[in-house]
Amino acid sequence: SSELTQDPAVSVALGQTVRITCQGDSLGNSYASWYQQKPGQAPVLVVYGRNNRPSGIPDRFSGSRSGNTASLTITGAQAEDEADYYCNSRDSSVNHWVFGGGTKLTVL
Amino acid sequence: QVQLVESGGGVVQPGKSLRLSCVTSGFIFSSYGMHWVRQAPGKGLEWVAVMWYDGSIESYVDSVKGRFTISRDNSKNTLYLQMNSLRVEDTAVYYCVRDYDTSNYDYFDHWGQGTLVTVSS
Repeated sequence: SSELTQDPAVSVALGQTVRITCQGDSLGNSYASWYQQKPGQAPVLVVYGRNNRPSGIPDRFSGSRSGNTASLTITGAQAEDEADYYCNSRDSSVNHWVFGGGTKLTVL
Repeated sequence: QVQLVESGGGVVQPGKSLRLSCVTSGFIFSSYGMHWVRQAPGKGLEWVAVMWYDGSIESYVDSVKGRFTISRDNSKNTLYLQMNSLRVEDTAVYYCVRDYDTSNYDYFDHWGQGTLVTVSS
């Protein structure tokens, strides 16, 4: 079955730009979606498709894909962006979905 | 507004069964695929199961195949997860999640608050 690999932890200085990556074979022909989860809360969708944001998500969040790697970029990170971030994609050949292991973002 | 409300979690002994429910509102339930996603304490998210909008297709992560059954009642706007032969490693918060499917990609656009299942002797 397909797997998605994320760095366990990333840190960024307040106001700076950070990129969180997600690598996996399934990303070669499908888009990742990205979810933010804060302690004790349910995950929230932040980026999906080619580079789309749900209403209410700040435009400092953006997504991209290159080959088998998807990226979530936060341009001008804020203190409230400190959270766990998960990527997800679908393996259409077996109708399975898979999450990356998650990246804990610390805003310094 | 879209609402997904899970229930049915609790403490259960290994080998026993439990059924989770997810009552939905604020959208046309019968038009959307629905998933269960779980998160063990202190761990990451794990996709568990999906059921197509019309119930025609269901799929499971390998670790629950043959033990868990996803179902839905479109007349009651409700999603279910029947969990049999529960194991300690099934301990997790279980989220009910709506799938938004376009022609090019899909994503999980709405999540419930989750219900905690604890499998312990």
